[in-house]
Amino acid sequence: GENVEQHPSTLSVQEGDSAVIKCTYSDSASNYFPWYKQELGKRPQLIIDIRSNVGEKKDQRIAVTLNKTAKHFSLHITETQPEDSAVYFCAASPLGSGGYNKLIFGAGTRLAVHP
Amino acid sequence: EPEVTQTPSHQVTQMGQEVILRCVPISNHLYFYWYRQILGQKVEFLVSFYNNEISEKSEIFDDQFSVERPDGSNFTLKIRSTKLEDSAMYFCASSEAAGTSGTFYNEQFFGPGTRLTVL
Repeated sequence: GENVEQHPSTLSVQEGDSAVIKCTYSDSASNYFPWYKQELGKRPQLIIDIRSNVGEKKDQRIAVTLNKTAKHFSLHITETQPEDSAVYFCAASPLGSGGYNKLIFGAGTRLAVHP
Repeated sequence: EPEVTQTPSHQVTQMGQEVILRCVPISNHLYFYWYRQILGQKVEFLVSFYNNEISEKSEIFDDQFSVERPDGSNFTLKIRSTKLEDSAMYFCASSEAAGTSGTFYNEQFFGPGTRLTVL
C-alpha cells in the first residue's frame, strides 16, 4: 500500500523567511496530493492541493511542486508569519474512478515561525 | 460556509464498553470517511463509505468497528468493545460526489474531531 514520508519533523524559521517541507510517496498510482494545516486541537484544514497532471501550483504565499518521476512533492511557504505556525501534513491519494479516495498522510511537520 | 460537525467533542469510556461517535457531513456530499489520530502522531485512514456501504477499510478497522448512515444526515462510527489503544482523536470527513463540479473533486473536509479516552 501507499506510504508517505515527510521531512523535517520540526522546522523553526524567523518571520519573513521561507519554509520548505518535503514528502515522498511509494505508490505510483497516487495522483492527488493535498496539504493540510492543523493548529493545536483543531481539525486539519486543506491549504493547497495538486494533481499529477500539474508540476506546480501557487496560491499567494503557498506553493506546491510535484515530481512524479521521483515520487516527491514539496510545500513552499514564503514570507512566513507567526500565524503560519502549526503542524503541516502532506498526503497522497490515488484518484480513482469511484470518486472516493483514502488519504495516506505523512507524519507531519511542526512549523514554528518566530517574530 | 458549510462544515462537517461531530459529537461529542470528548468521550470518556471504560475499556470494554461500546461507543458511538457521530458525524454530520456536509449536506451535498456523498463520500464519507473516518480517520483517527493518536496523540502526537499522523492521521490514519480507517474507512470510506459510499452509497450505504463500505468502499474501503484499513487494517485498523477490524471487526470491533462498524459504520452506519442511519438517516439522511448522520454518519456514525461504532466501536463495540473499546481497548486502551483506541484512545485517539477520531475525525470524520466528507467529499463531494464526482462529477458535480465537472471534475473528480477530491477535497475532503474534516470535522472538528471527537477525542476518545478509554480508561
